[in-house]
Amino acid sequence: GDSVTQMEGPVTLSEEAFLTINCTYTATGYPSLFWYVQYPGEGLQLLLKATKADDKGSNKGFEATYRKETTSFHLEKGSVQVSDSAVYFCALSGDSGGSNYKLTFGKGTLLTVNP
Amino acid sequence: DTGVSQDPRHKITKRGQNVTFRCDPISEHNRLYWYRQTLGQGPEFLTYFQNEAQLEKSRLLSDRFSAERPKGSFSTLEIQRTEQGDSAMYLCASSSSGDTEAFFGQGTRLTVV
Repeated sequence: GDSVTQMEGPVTLSEEAFLTINCTYTATGYPSLFWYVQYPGEGLQLLLKATKADDKGSNKGFEATYRKETTSFHLEKGSVQVSDSAVYFCALSGDSGGSNYKLTFGKGTLLTVNP
Repeated sequence: DTGVSQDPRHKITKRGQNVTFRCDPISEHNRLYWYRQTLGQGPEFLTYFQNEAQLEKSRLLSDRFSAERPKGSFSTLEIQRTEQGDSAMYLCASSSSGDTEAFFGQGTRLTVV
């Protein structure tokens, strides 16, 4: 079945440092890929997505590129801020005859950014 | 419409009791999903509705769990004879057909004592 493996945390960085959180997946067909973020005390929010190979999703300075050849969707940000401290989840939505629906999530990576 | 809302936000119950959670999706969304999230894990899919039809149930959804979505609007998730292993965050999400983005509620945290 579908699965997502993401870098285990926690990750602790200083403000303005470069961030990479690795994510690889196993799926049949052509899944859509997502990064969700969960800030302390809040629900899951979509951060960015990519729906086909070589697409780059971007939002709030974060980027991730859908790499089908390496089955990866690594999250990057050039300069993190304290406000980026959160749990980040990589996820995929399986290709079920074109009717994408349920999400398969990784375990999450806790990011803490210190001033 | 301010998003997906879930009620209650927190529930503490004694083992063996029944509990029911409610989810109100974004009004124009015809797809509704339930997920369960335990500490240190990502959300796991439980079940999915398209309008009022329950189209898929995970093997995680034992016979003690039942979900409904009458009239294709709000949904309820009931757990009968709760066990300590049911303690988790129960998340609801909704989306439109043909849209890959799902919007999540803030969840209901269940604690079984």
